[in-house]
Amino acid sequence: ILNVEQSPQSLHVQEGDSTNFTCSFPSSNFYALHWYRWETAKSPEALFVMTLNGDEKKKGRISATLNTKEGYSYLYIKGSQPEDSATYLCALGGQAGTALIFGKGTTLSVSS
Amino acid sequence: DAGVIQSPRHEVTEMGQEVTLRCKPISGHNSLFWYRQTMMRGLELLIYFNNNVPIDDSGMPEDRFSAKMPNASFSTLKIQPSEPRDSAVYFCASSSSDRERQPQHFGDGTRLSIL
Repeated sequence: ILNVEQSPQSLHVQEGDSTNFTCSFPSSNFYALHWYRWETAKSPEALFVMTLNGDEKKKGRISATLNTKEGYSYLYIKGSQPEDSATYLCALGGQAGTALIFGKGTTLSVSS
Repeated sequence: DAGVIQSPRHEVTEMGQEVTLRCKPISGHNSLFWYRQTMMRGLELLIYFNNNVPIDDSGMPEDRFSAKMPNASFSTLKIQPSEPRDSAVYFCASSSSDRERQPQHFGDGTRLSIL
């Protein structure tokens, strides 16, 4: 059974702080790693799909890195804003048309 | 562009009643996924379809749960009879199995409360 672990479970930062969280996964038979942003009462929104070891992707103040050999990905948020408050999910993906295996998420709360 | 559409958004019903959740995937997507989100287990896969055919239903909790996809633009998840422990948010997602490494697109979910 594949296990996707995220840490920390929750995080509270002040506006302007930069933060990061971790997604760990089995490194064998890796195919793709997905990051989603999930605001309360909304649907999960895709941030990144990462596939190659050493990949770095960026979207505004949010960026992610991937290490497939050791089985982890980091998500960074630079200069957190209250609107960044959400749960950030990572998921292991397989070939197209297969299901994702999600971690339980890191819930970020940003105070102004 | 219309995203994944789920209905109803909220459902409150008494235990023992039949519950039907509905999903319309994004047009052109041929993979459809049903997930359930609970505090204890996070977001877990229930069942998914490719080209309207169920591929993996190992996540369906028990025989009270059933899912169908009669055509490419509609799927239902049915619980009969419902129990309080079925209370959760149920998400539908779709993607294209013809394109590799693409994200799944989620609906807004159905928040189900069984009293």
